[in-house]
Amino acid sequence: DAKTTQPPSMDCAEGRAANLPCNHSTISGNEYVYWYRQIHSQGPQYIIHGLKNNETNEMASLIITEDRKSSTLILPHATLRDTAVYYCIVRVPSSGSARQLTFGSGTQLTVLP
Amino acid sequence: DAGVIQSPRHEVTEMGQEVTLRCKPISGHNSLFWYRQTMMRGLELLIYFNNNVPIDDSGMPEDRFSAKMPNASFSTLKIQPSEPRDSAVYFCASSLALGSYEQYFGPGTRLTVT
Repeated sequence: DAKTTQPPSMDCAEGRAANLPCNHSTISGNEYVYWYRQIHSQGPQYIIHGLKNNETNEMASLIITEDRKSSTLILPHATLRDTAVYYCIVRVPSSGSARQLTFGSGTQLTVLP
Repeated sequence: DAGVIQSPRHEVTEMGQEVTLRCKPISGHNSLFWYRQTMMRGLELLIYFNNNVPIDDSGMPEDRFSAKMPNASFSTLKIQPSEPRDSAVYFCASSLALGSYEQYFGPGTRLTVT
């Protein structure tokens, strides 16, 4: 699976949009981009995923560049409860044994009041 | 649905003792994963099952670790004998299938081995 690079930490003001970048310059054509987050003392939580089109759900939006070498997770109106570590993962959604989630170090997002 | 259930939530034991962690996946999910999280190594995949069959245990650190899934609604991760370096948070997750986009994680078991 392609490796990802994320900034170790970011701050965001409450109520503002939080834009979390991820670089995955070695992504292959069949690899999806996934985002998970982990709130302190909880298990990771799935947020969103995409292949090449931009995606939106009730939690966030995912913007993937045309060359697919980077992406941005957008939390449109961040709240204090969005403070968490955000993980960007690229993976082929296959049942193959080597194709499971690999969590890196992620980005610690702190939403400030 | 109650989500993935793990027990106990906290476990403190002495070195050399046997530790058993338990997991109940979400009903209807066919795949189950065990992870370990430490400050030093982050979140690591230990082993995963599909339809109750272990598929890949290459992440299990040592022979002291073993995992079973006797039926679709229950799995255990056992450490025997336990060592202080096994102290970590152990997460269980389940998904509809191995290739599913979304894995649902349990709240974790915080293990402390003294």
